[in-house]
Amino acid sequence: GAGVSQSPSNKVTEKGKDVELRCDPISGHTALYWYRQSLGQGLEFLIYFQGNSAPDKSGLPSDRFSAERTGGSVSTLTIQRTQQEDSAVYLCASSLQGATGTQYFGPGTRLTVL
Amino acid sequence: KQEVTQIPAALSVPEGENLVLNCSFTDSAIYNLQWFRQDPGKGLTSLLLIQSSQREQTSGRLNASLDKSSGRSTLYIAASQPGDSATYLCAVDGPNQGGKLIFGQGTELSVKP
Repeated sequence: GAGVSQSPSNKVTEKGKDVELRCDPISGHTALYWYRQSLGQGLEFLIYFQGNSAPDKSGLPSDRFSAERTGGSVSTLTIQRTQQEDSAVYLCASSLQGATGTQYFGPGTRLTVL
Repeated sequence: KQEVTQIPAALSVPEGENLVLNCSFTDSAIYNLQWFRQDPGKGLTSLLLIQSSQREQTSGRLNASLDKSSGRSTLYIAASQPGDSATYLCAVDGPNQGGKLIFGQGTELSVKP
């Protein structure tokens, strides 16, 4: 596709369940980022993949959060044992060249944990 | 640690006015600064990216300036239209950030017809 796509667009889950969020970056972009946008918290970085390098996981809020990127393309963000404070919009972005390049964002996945 | 602040948090103007949104950052060692637009319930749309060596960038009715030494950027919107209503976010990328953007809290703009 022409832009970054994310699925699902909305996800409602019960506390304690695991969820998987998917991101399809722009074809050819080597860098992929996950951010979280919470009410009152603004946009915060979660994790960054650059090519075949080890990902920068410094923004993950707890060990319940993990992400992988298969084949240098699609990425999945997994949240285990979801908590109500995990409710947020999860945004994915990709960039052609990583640091210093324009980041293009997907529409986000709105996660609601009941 | 880099911190980004946007003022004002919200702004309401009548259609046709020119307006300025402000962004400040605490660490002047940046690679670039990017302005985004976010419509309610949507993702972010990149508007302008200014490299650290540049002073300004223009796209249509939008002009973004960067004063790296003072840690400030402004987004100027000329002849505002109701369709400009959205939240505007600025974000910086720098050498100590490993490629991740640090965002301000945004300015919510409302342009009244």
